[in-house]
Amino acid sequence: LAKTTQPISMDSYEGQEVNITCSHNNIATNDYITWYQQFPSQGPRFIIQGYKTKVTNEVASLFIPADRKSSTLSLPRVSLSDTAVYYCLVGEINTGFQKLVFGTGTRLLVSP
Amino acid sequence: EAGVAQSPRYKIIEKRQSVAFWCNPISGHATLYWYQQILGQGPKLLIQFQNNGVVDDSQLPKDRFSAERLKGVDSTLKIQPAKLEDSAVYLCASSLVDNQETQYFGPGTRLLVL
Repeated sequence: LAKTTQPISMDSYEGQEVNITCSHNNIATNDYITWYQQFPSQGPRFIIQGYKTKVTNEVASLFIPADRKSSTLSLPRVSLSDTAVYYCLVGEINTGFQKLVFGTGTRLLVSP
Repeated sequence: EAGVAQSPRYKIIEKRQSVAFWCNPISGHATLYWYQQILGQGPKLLIQFQNNGVVDDSQLPKDRFSAERLKGVDSTLKIQPAKLEDSAVYLCASSLVDNQETQYFGPGTRLLVL
C-alpha cells in the first residue's frame, strides 16, 4: 500500500477555493486515489475517486498529474459546513479484497 | 436508502469490564468493516467480513477483541476485558463486494474506559 502525505491542517474563508494536495510517491500502476471527508462526530464519507487527469463531481474536483505521484482535491467556494477532516487514500481496486488505510488527514477550518 | 446503523452511540465502562457494539449494514452490502478511531487519528481497520467470513483481521487484538457476523448481515464487536487505551470511536462500515473502495460508515460508538 502506497504511503500518503498531506498537510495536517489548512485554514480558509467562506467563498474561497481550497486545494488540498496529497503526496503518494510510491503509487503503483493499479492504485486509485480516493478522498474521504469526515465531519465531527460522524463516520467518514466518500467524496471522489480518480486514476489520472481530472475527475469532477457535484462536491469536488480531483486533479492528478501524469506521473500520479501527487493529487489535489479542490473544493470550490467553501462554506462553513465544509469544515472537516479530509483523508487521501491510495489503493488497488478491482481485486477481491480492498483495504483502505487512513492517515491522519487534513483538518480544514473554514471561517466566516 | 437506510444507512449503516450502530448502537449504542455512547458507552462508558471501567477497565476490565466487557462491552459489545452492534452494527447493521446497508441492505445488500456483503462486505462489513469495523474500524477503531482514536482521537486525532484516522480510522484503523480492525476486521473485515465478506458475508459471514473474515477476510482480514490482522490488526484485531485477538486476546481481547472478537467480532462475528453469523448470518452475513448484522455484526457485533466485543471487547473483553477493556483497557484504558481502548477508549476510541468504533466505526462500522459496509460496501458492495465489487465496489469496496466506496465504504459507507455508520455514526460510530464512542467508548470511554475509566
